[in-house]
Amino acid sequence: AQKVTQAQTEISVVEKEDVTLDCVYETRDTTYYLFWYKQPPSGELVFLIRRNSFDEQNEISGRYSWNFQKSTSSFNFTITASQVVDSAVYFCALKGGSNYKLTFGKGTLLTVNP
Amino acid sequence: DVKVTQSSRYLVKRTGEKVFLECVQDMDHENMFWYRQDPGLGLRLIYFSYDVKMKEKGDIPEGYSVSREKKERFSLILESASTNQTSMYLCASSFPDSSGNTIYFGEGSWLTVV
Repeated sequence: AQKVTQAQTEISVVEKEDVTLDCVYETRDTTYYLFWYKQPPSGELVFLIRRNSFDEQNEISGRYSWNFQKSTSSFNFTITASQVVDSAVYFCALKGGSNYKLTFGKGTLLTVNP
Repeated sequence: DVKVTQSSRYLVKRTGEKVFLECVQDMDHENMFWYRQDPGLGLRLIYFSYDVKMKEKGDIPEGYSVSREKKERFSLILESASTNQTSMYLCASSFPDSSGNTIYFGEGSWLTVV
């Protein structure tokens, strides 16, 4: 069975603060893929990043960075110098091996206040 | 850019009505999905299709059916809408899952059943 836990239901920060969204996963697959999606108020789920289980390199894309640690089964997402436009629900998701199914965490609502 | 288009953003239907939610993708993806999103429950998979006329049940298929007559189009059908089907419905598509291909989502359809 696969499971994704996003323990933070809601986070509120002030603009320019750094914020980290936590994601912990469970899977028995040796090959698996981790994803982060952003859902702004408009509703569309926007793909942010995909990581496979063999690639533990951290990734940085502008103000966004991701920390993948297999030892702790975590795939955390950090936004540096947050902006109001970052306000959204963020979902972490897991897909195991050749399984078509994407298992989502329950999401973290991030509010960035001016 | 990948485009997944859901024909209706907001619908209000009466209990017992037959409801069609339409989804079209323009990336020649083999896989298409319908998810349902509810507060506190996250995203749950209703149905999955891996080819024209092929489908598999997801986690919560009861009360729903699907149709895939053409590769680019995947329809979700509520045969007799009920109030507990009031929800946000998200369509998605991807290439086959040989390497954890990214799943791309549409903007969502907000359905209210009264």
